[in-house]
Amino acid sequence: EAGVTQFPSHSVIEKGQTVTLRCDPISGHDNLYWYRRVMGKEIKFLLHFVKESKQDESGMPNNRFLAERTGGTYSTLKVQPAELEDSGVYFCASSQVRGATGGQYFGPGTRLTVT
Amino acid sequence: GESVGLHLPTLSVQEGDNSIINCAYSNSASDYFIWYKQESGKGPQFIIDIRSNMDKRQGQRVTVLLNKTVKHLSLQIAATQPGDSAVYFCAENINSGGGADGLTFGKGTHLIIQP
Repeated sequence: EAGVTQFPSHSVIEKGQTVTLRCDPISGHDNLYWYRRVMGKEIKFLLHFVKESKQDESGMPNNRFLAERTGGTYSTLKVQPAELEDSGVYFCASSQVRGATGGQYFGPGTRLTVT
Repeated sequence: GESVGLHLPTLSVQEGDNSIINCAYSNSASDYFIWYKQESGKGPQFIIDIRSNMDKRQGQRVTVLLNKTVKHLSLQIAATQPGDSAVYFCAENINSGGGADGLTFGKGTHLIIQP
């Protein structure tokens, strides 16, 4: 079974540009989460999808960030316009059942560098 | 890959020794706790979890202890191996009663196994 995949693995953009990150969850997982870790800080929750619906977006830092999950399969996270403080590693995770034990399965992350 | 040396606490142990990694959590309402392992360039990988109605749970070479009185969680790794070198994160959430699914992560501890 393929795990959570993320694309690209690394992105370098200039301040003010737009970047779109993609996450493909494990097949059959209705729950999809986005997290990020900025330099020197903890991994922080951004938002949670159940299928195509946003269940919780309390962690989204501001309106420069837009997450979508059309069709309830893969998800994209767009940052527009990117700022220097957006640099960090963006993780996607998925789980089959909400509230299930066994944790959330994480992808390898996308390292975003804004210059 | 992502640097694991981002001002993280470091624990250095000899190969074959036991290691104990500690974590303090702040939300007394949290009822589900997870330990993740993150190797360089990879996403967090599930190790073991525990619900708040338990104070100890054992896996293969790992044991998690939960002390709700002082809001403390620990991960014990027996007979450490070189492959155990990684950053270890504790995470928590409110898993029951429709609570938020987003995980709250601790800062992480960098475990180094000395040959």
